Amino acid sequence: KAGVTQTPRYLIKTRGQQVTLSCSPISGHRSVSWYQQTPGQGLQFLFEYFSETQRNKGNFPGRFSGRQFSNSRSEMNVSTLELGDSALYLCASSLGLAGGRSDTQYFGPGTRLTVL
Amino acid sequence: EDQVTQSPEALRLQEGESSSLNCSYTVSGLRGLFWYRQDPGKGPEFLFTLYSAGEEKEKERLKATLTKKESFLHITAPKPEDSATYLCAVQAGGGGYNKLIFGAGTRLAVHP
Repeated sequence: KAGVTQTPRYLIKTRGQQVTLSCSPISGHRSVSWYQQTPGQGLQFLFEYFSETQRNKGNFPGRFSGRQFSNSRSEMNVSTLELGDSALYLCASSLGLAGGRSDTQYFGPGTRLTVL
Repeated sequence: EDQVTQSPEALRLQEGESSSLNCSYTVSGLRGLFWYRQDPGKGPEFLFTLYSAGEEKEKERLKATLTKKESFLHITAPKPEDSATYLCAVQAGGGGYNKLIFGAGTRLAVHP
């Protein structure tokens, strides 16, 4: 079974621009979560989508947004880029279990975003 | 506030020298504790999920254990290919759904 795929793998943007990152989950997985990884802050949760609805959000400004399509593929968008947005953006997919059961997330290779 | 602390930050071992990595956590209603391995420039690779105190899981040279306050990742007779950053993460209850709270990781270097 194919793993989580993310495109593009590398991006270079300038301050003020916007960027869209894409994630294709493992087949059959309905939940997609996004994380930001930086040397200073480590891995931080951005948001989670399940059945095209955002059901959880981390502590990031509104410049960070996302969406999920009916085939479970997801995109995240960052508008008005700042230097501090340079990071590895990771997407993780899971089955999306209900009823409070813990749900294993599988990560993609990430998109390395550099803001100049 | 939910929190995960990993120690040590970095660990250098000789090939064959067994050791343990620690993950202590404070969380309101633990739903699951996860261990991941991350190689430079790559996404985290899933290793184990632990759900309740007393649980243990093994995979090759790795063994993960869980108590009510911490988890250990034991590495037995490590090889150079075990060199990586090991990440611990928790999922909390209370409607947190799939939000993972990560520790800062332990960078492991195994030398021949």
